[in-house]
Amino acid sequence: EDQVTQSPEALRLQEGESSSLNCSYTVSGLRGLFWYRQDPGKGPEFLFTLYSAGEEKEKERLKATLTKKESFLHITAPKPEDSATYLCAAHQLSFGAGTTVTVRA
Amino acid sequence: DTAVSQTPKYLVTQMGNDKSIKCEQNLGHDTMYWYKQDSKKFLKIMFSYNNKELIINETVPNRFSPKSPDKAHLNLHINSLELGDSAVYFCASSQGTIGYTFGSGTRLTVV
Repeated sequence: EDQVTQSPEALRLQEGESSSLNCSYTVSGLRGLFWYRQDPGKGPEFLFTLYSAGEEKEKERLKATLTKKESFLHITAPKPEDSATYLCAAHQLSFGAGTTVTVRA
Repeated sequence: DTAVSQTPKYLVTQMGNDKSIKCEQNLGHDTMYWYKQDSKKFLKIMFSYNNKELIINETVPNRFSPKSPDKAHLNLHINSLELGDSAVYFCASSQGTIGYTFGSGTRLTVV
């Protein structure tokens, strides 16, 4: 059975303090590793799709990387508006529980 | 314009009732989905619907049924509601395997 595990569950950062979120996956034949951002009371917002090990994608202060077993979402010099829950998903079918990021000014 | 819209946003109902949640997308996407997000924030896919092909997650009780009158709409009907059905339900759409666009969710509370 496909499994996606995210860590840590919660992350509190000072503004400007860079950090990384982890998404470990066990799936048969990965057809895409997706990252989403979810704000309270809203639906997930698509960030990235990664398809093969070694692939990297960037958007503003966010950078996603992929290996054969895990993906990382790096947040560089975060701002308070980066506060959200970040979800990863394999195939769009198996979602992790998310990492809730809080950035303090 | 809202890309994927769901109604209602909140739904409170009694056990045993039958209810529907509506979803519409104006993106021209060819596939639509229903997801359930439980209290622990896990998102689980319930259905996907593409050109009249319905793929059902086997763990979904048959009290749940999707209805698609056309390519832009996918409604969710729930019969004989139970307490455990309380959750946030999200509709989403996609074109191919590009990242999905989600609606803002319907919070269902069964009392």
